[in-house]
Amino acid sequence: AQSVTQPDIHITVSEGASLELRCNYSYGATPYLFWYVQSPGQGLQLLLKYFSGDTLVQGIKGFEAEFKRSQSSFNLRKPSVHWSDAAEYFCAVGRFGNEKLTFGTGTRLTIIP
Amino acid sequence: DTGVSQNPRHKITKRGQNVTFRCDPISEHNRLYWYRQTLGQGPEFLTYFQNEAQLEKSRLLSDRFSAERPKGSFSTLEIQRTEQGDSAMYLCASSPRTSGVFSEQFFGPGTRLTVL
Repeated sequence: AQSVTQPDIHITVSEGASLELRCNYSYGATPYLFWYVQSPGQGLQLLLKYFSGDTLVQGIKGFEAEFKRSQSSFNLRKPSVHWSDAAEYFCAVGRFGNEKLTFGTGTRLTIIP
Repeated sequence: DTGVSQNPRHKITKRGQNVTFRCDPISEHNRLYWYRQTLGQGPEFLTYFQNEAQLEKSRLLSDRFSAERPKGSFSTLEIQRTEQGDSAMYLCASSPRTSGVFSEQFFGPGTRLTVL
């Protein structure tokens, strides 16, 4: 069965600082990997996805993520965070032919001035 | 372009009552998903439709839960004899059918259920 681990429950960073959110997955074949963001009262918005090819993927809002098969990781990065980035971030894995997404428990990001 | 809509956005009910939620997917998306998200957790898959056919149900979906998607358009999720443990955010997502690749799921704002 596929699973996702987000080891950091809560991260606090200063505005303008760099950010890295960790995600580790467990899956026997090549996974489909996603990062979603959820703001209070909002639905989940897709930031970026990895299906195949270049292991460094670019997303919206200046986010990027790198797929590392050897480490079973798909960490999310941003070089300089903005106050509006404060939200809950979820990593998810999917498998072609099995349409459900399996999500991690999320990382809450707080931005301090 | 309207996104996925869900109604109601909030529902408060007493234990033992029945509740029904509605999801309207993005037009022409033939796949529709229901997830449940409890406090401090990520969304968990409940069930999935392709057109009007319910193709997969999670073990989380007990006999008190039923989902329908008549005519392959909107979907309803009904919970009978609600329990306090049913309190959660119920998320709906839809995706287009694409050939050979995993389809991106677009999520609605969710319905927050509180069972007293």
